[in-house]
Amino acid sequence: QVQLQESGPGLVKPSGTLSLTCAVSGGSISSSNWWSWIRQPPGKGLEWIGEIYHSGSTNYNPSLKSRVTISVDKSKNQFSLKLSSVTAADTAVYYCARNGGRLVGATQAFDIWGQGTMVTVSS
Amino acid sequence: EIVLTQSPATLSLSPGERATLSCRASQSVSSYLAWYQQKPGQAPRLLIYDASNRATGIPARFSGSGSGTDFTLTISSLEPEDFAVYYCQQRSNWPSIFTFGPGTKVDIK
Repeated sequence: QVQLQESGPGLVKPSGTLSLTCAVSGGSISSSNWWSWIRQPPGKGLEWIGEIYHSGSTNYNPSLKSRVTISVDKSKNQFSLKLSSVTAADTAVYYCARNGGRLVGATQAFDIWGQGTMVTVSS
Repeated sequence: EIVLTQSPATLSLSPGERATLSCRASQSVSSYLAWYQQKPGQAPRLLIYDASNRATGIPARFSGSGSGTDFTLTISSLEPEDFAVYYCQQRSNWPSIFTFGPGTKVDIK
């Protein structure tokens, strides 16, 4: 079965760039699915960051769009997140997730999630 | 942008009791609504999609209902492992964005 695994630095300095990668195993990133990044500040709710298709097409949350870049590397079966100009407000657990597509009917829902990785923004 | 609100914020119940959680959308989302369960230190788990369809492996005690702007997640008889936070989620077409509700925490009374 498809599994997702996030990786990247757990500490980023203010004004720096947060960079994370999500490795896809047990399936192909070139399947008919979109792949998303979602974050959760400590003790708070979930915020969708953006998504990518294997073709490279992307959609971003307008609230973060100016600072976010999501890319895909089909040769490595993975996709990545870059978030620039980070502040303490970007401290969160970052999840990668798969949009289940037709497996979840007409609702665009996330059927597979990575375990999440905590990123702290601090000097 | 469609906003999701959830009520109550916290629901205190005992094992074996029935839990009824509400999610309201600021405008109609038809039946395009999902529910997730999240336990401490874990990623969310998809429970319900299309408002009323259980995801793979989800026990029958979980059920969803509703359409338009008002939705309900019901847990017919709470098991110890059901004490968690529950989120609703939808996707709007314009702007193209996923949104989550703020969550309902079901804790042990």
